[in-house]
Amino acid sequence: NAGVTQTPKFRILKIGQSMTLQCAQDMNHNYMYWYRQDPGMGLKLIYYSVGAGITDKGEVPNGYNVSRSTTEDFPLRLELAAPSQTSVYFCASSYWDTSYEQYFGPGTRLTVT
Amino acid sequence: GDSVTQMEGPVTLSEEAFLTINCTYTATGYPSLFWYVQYPGEGLQLLLKATKADDKGSNKGFEATYRKETTSFHLEKGSVQVSDSAVYFCALTGTASKLTFGTGTRLQVTL
Repeated sequence: NAGVTQTPKFRILKIGQSMTLQCAQDMNHNYMYWYRQDPGMGLKLIYYSVGAGITDKGEVPNGYNVSRSTTEDFPLRLELAAPSQTSVYFCASSYWDTSYEQYFGPGTRLTVT
Repeated sequence: GDSVTQMEGPVTLSEEAFLTINCTYTATGYPSLFWYVQYPGEGLQLLLKATKADDKGSNKGFEATYRKETTSFHLEKGSVQVSDSAVYFCALTGTASKLTFGTGTRLQVTL
């Protein structure tokens, strides 16, 4: 069991570039989440999904897009990178009936300059 | 809305010292409360939980008691080890069934 995997681990983007952060889980979890973690701040929910084909906005969705075509994968797309998107991004997953017990990936550190 | 307030870090302790990390919350209804831990270079993992008032969650020597009267869920450990060095996050699930995290408290344990 690999758990939750994220790629890449690190990335530097120029302002206006686009990229996709990959996330996959092999635990057959229904729910998946994307968070960002800024220094000195807690985690903020960007988007979440309760199953394939279903996604919804979290607390800070502006500037991001997601899709969920399979149970396993939940990529996060940044279309026009801005310095405010410099952060550490975490993907997580859970079962529907224990959504408080989330399993996190190791994170992607993104810098936009 | 729901919110979680944690004591600011970093907290620096010697090995075998007693640990307390304070956490208070604001929520409507009856939230469930959690502590997550983030070891260096890793994602968060659930440390312990409590789902109703007066419940005590415990794991790996850590404990926290859900105190509704003081809206608190303080994390304690009687004797910390160097391997406990990490960032600790208090969190709750409220009416929306989503996790709301505190800002995290970094713990550094030295020999």
